[in-house]
Amino acid sequence: ETGVTQTPRHLVMGMTNKKSLKCEQHLGHNAMYWYKQSAKKPLELMFVYSLEERVENNSVPSRFSPECPNSSHLFLHLHTLQPEDSALYLCASSRDGRANSGNTIYFGEGSWLTVV
Amino acid sequence: GEDVEQSLFLSVREGDSSVINCTYTDSSSTYLYWYKQEPGAGLQLLTYIFSNMDMKQDQRLTVLLNKKDKHLSLRIADTQTGDSAIYFCAESGSGYALNFGKGTSLLVTP
Repeated sequence: ETGVTQTPRHLVMGMTNKKSLKCEQHLGHNAMYWYKQSAKKPLELMFVYSLEERVENNSVPSRFSPECPNSSHLFLHLHTLQPEDSALYLCASSRDGRANSGNTIYFGEGSWLTVV
Repeated sequence: GEDVEQSLFLSVREGDSSVINCTYTDSSSTYLYWYKQEPGAGLQLLTYIFSNMDMKQDQRLTVLLNKKDKHLSLRIADTQTGDSAIYFCAESGSGYALNFGKGTSLLVTP
C-alpha cells in the first residue's frame, strides 16, 4: 500500500466510449502525475499537477483530458481513444512537483486500459 | 530527449548476487532512483542516492554511482525468487518528473 489508490484497476472500452480513470492520494502531497506505461517503452510522463495547477503537459493528444479538483484527487478523462492507447496508466504523487528537490514519487497500482 | 539506458534482461540463480546497470543522461540530476515493479503492480521505490554520494547500502541492496560516467548500478545480494521483477532506473533531471529507463527484467531461478 503506497498511499496512492487508482480505480478502476482494469477497464475495457470501445473507441467511441467516454470513461474516466480516478486517482486518490492519502499522503498529503501537493503534486500528482499521470504516466503511461506501454510494453517495451520507457514510462511516458503525460501530465503533472502541482497545487492543482497543471505544470506540465507532454504533447498528449486531446482525447486524454486530465482534471485535478484538489490536491488529493486526479482524474484522466478518456474520449474516442485508439487501440494504440491500450496501456497501463500509472498515477503518482510527490510532496511537490520538482524532481530535483529530492521528492520521492509514489506510484499507484495502475489502471490497465484496453481499447477495442 | 535522450533515454536512460538499461539492459532489458538479467537471469541469476537463487542465492547469487544480481547487478543491474544503468546509464543516465542528465548530469544535473540531483537524485538517482531504483524502482521495482512486480507483475500486475505499480512501481515501488526501492532506494535512491543523492548525487554527491558514490555508494549507498540498504540491507541487501547496494547502489553505486559513478557521476563522471553517469553510471548507476544496483546490486542485490543473496537474490531470492521473490526478487524477480522489473527494475527501473530513474534520474531526477531538471524538470517536474523523473526520467525512467525501459526497465530490466530480473529472473531468479531456483
